[in-house]
Amino acid sequence: SQTIHQWPATLVQPVGSPLSLECTVEGTSNPNLYWYRQAAGRGLQLLFYSVGIGQISSEVPQNLSASRPQDRQFILSSKKLLLSDSGFYLCAWSDLNTEAFFGQGTRLTVV
Amino acid sequence: TQLLEQSPQFLSIQEGENLTVYCNSSSVFSSLQWYRQEPGEGPVLLVTVVTGGEVKKLKRLTFQFGDARKDSSLHITAAQPGDTGLYLCAGGGTGFQKLVFGTGTRLLVSP
Repeated sequence: SQTIHQWPATLVQPVGSPLSLECTVEGTSNPNLYWYRQAAGRGLQLLFYSVGIGQISSEVPQNLSASRPQDRQFILSSKKLLLSDSGFYLCAWSDLNTEAFFGQGTRLTVV
Repeated sequence: TQLLEQSPQFLSIQEGENLTVYCNSSSVFSSLQWYRQEPGEGPVLLVTVVTGGEVKKLKRLTFQFGDARKDSSLHITAAQPGDTGLYLCAGGGTGFQKLVFGTGTRLLVSP
């Protein structure tokens, strides 16, 4: 069966520090991978998606970047965090866009 | 740009009441999913509907896909406190298209 792992679960980082959130998927090949950000109690804002290794599409201009160094690995990064980067970050995978499977999420607080 | 609007945004009801959540768009989707999310966790898939007019039941939850595949509804009968959470609809396309998530409905069921 397929599983998705996302870590860390919570993170407190100072303004201006770098960020690296990692997501890995097991049990499937060539998944579509997504990074979302969610404001408190609201819907999901798509940040990045990827259809394959090294292929990244950005949805909104921002202080973040994403990379896919391996088929089932998706990384969300920032060189210098801003206060506005605080939020709940979710990684997800899907197969042929029929449904998405989410990681547990990372609560990022920038202080 | 494809958008999915959910209504209501927030719903607070007593245990035993019935409710309906709506998910509307001007775009046609090849499939539509409903997810439930609890605080601090990723959304979990409840159901996928793919045929216009399709109705699916999951215990006390009834999901319907509109005939034109532009809208969907979620009806909960005799709501229970365990139904509390954020409900998200999401639309999928054909080929590679990123999933489009709705704006979310926060449900609070009080005992």
